[in-house]
Amino acid sequence: DAGVIQSPRHEVTEMGQEVTLRCKPISGHDYLFWYRQTMMRGLELLIYFNNNVPIDDSGMPEDRFSAKMPNASFSTLKIQPSEPRDSAVYFCASSWGWQGSDTQYFGPGTRLTVL
Amino acid sequence: KQEVTQIPAALSVPEGENLVLNCSFTDSAIYNLQWFRQDPGKGLTSLLLIQSSQREQTSGRLNASLDKSSGRSTLYIAASQPGDSATYLCAVPNAGNNRKLIWGLGTSLAVNP
Repeated sequence: DAGVIQSPRHEVTEMGQEVTLRCKPISGHDYLFWYRQTMMRGLELLIYFNNNVPIDDSGMPEDRFSAKMPNASFSTLKIQPSEPRDSAVYFCASSWGWQGSDTQYFGPGTRLTVL
Repeated sequence: KQEVTQIPAALSVPEGENLVLNCSFTDSAIYNLQWFRQDPGKGLTSLLLIQSSQREQTSGRLNASLDKSSGRSTLYIAASQPGDSATYLCAVPNAGNNRKLIWGLGTSLAVNP
């Protein structure tokens, strides 16, 4: 398997623009997680899905952020409108749901810069 | 509220040295604890997962221990190599939700040839 795939790897945009980050989880995994990483706050869980259904979105910072998972092999994280403070690395991760298999597999991340 | 702390924030050692990275957590009622490695510009890779009923886990030159009562875990790296240079993070599940991980800020390790 190719692992978790994220695109784009780098995104530079101007304040106010819409940004869409994409993720393809590992085939067969039924959990998908979106994280944000900054130097000051470290890794923060934004939202996670189980079987394409959002389970916990309490980490989504505000209404400008939204995430969808239309099928088992694709998810998006959208920021509209973007702001400079959204600049961070965004990671997608996936895992199996069966008991005892708690390891999360991470994608390479998308480095977002909002000017 | 669970909090995870990693000390030191950065560490520089000569090649061949044995070293210990520390992770502490405030709520001892954890389901498991995981250690991850992050290379610059890349995602995280799981190294070791210790279940709450276990005391330690080993993988090659890595050994992770867990002491729930004191709220501590250590990652021991034997005979360090330059290729071990990376940031090491530990994470524990949030109380009542095993899928929601609480992360430390990591220890940045540099192993010098």
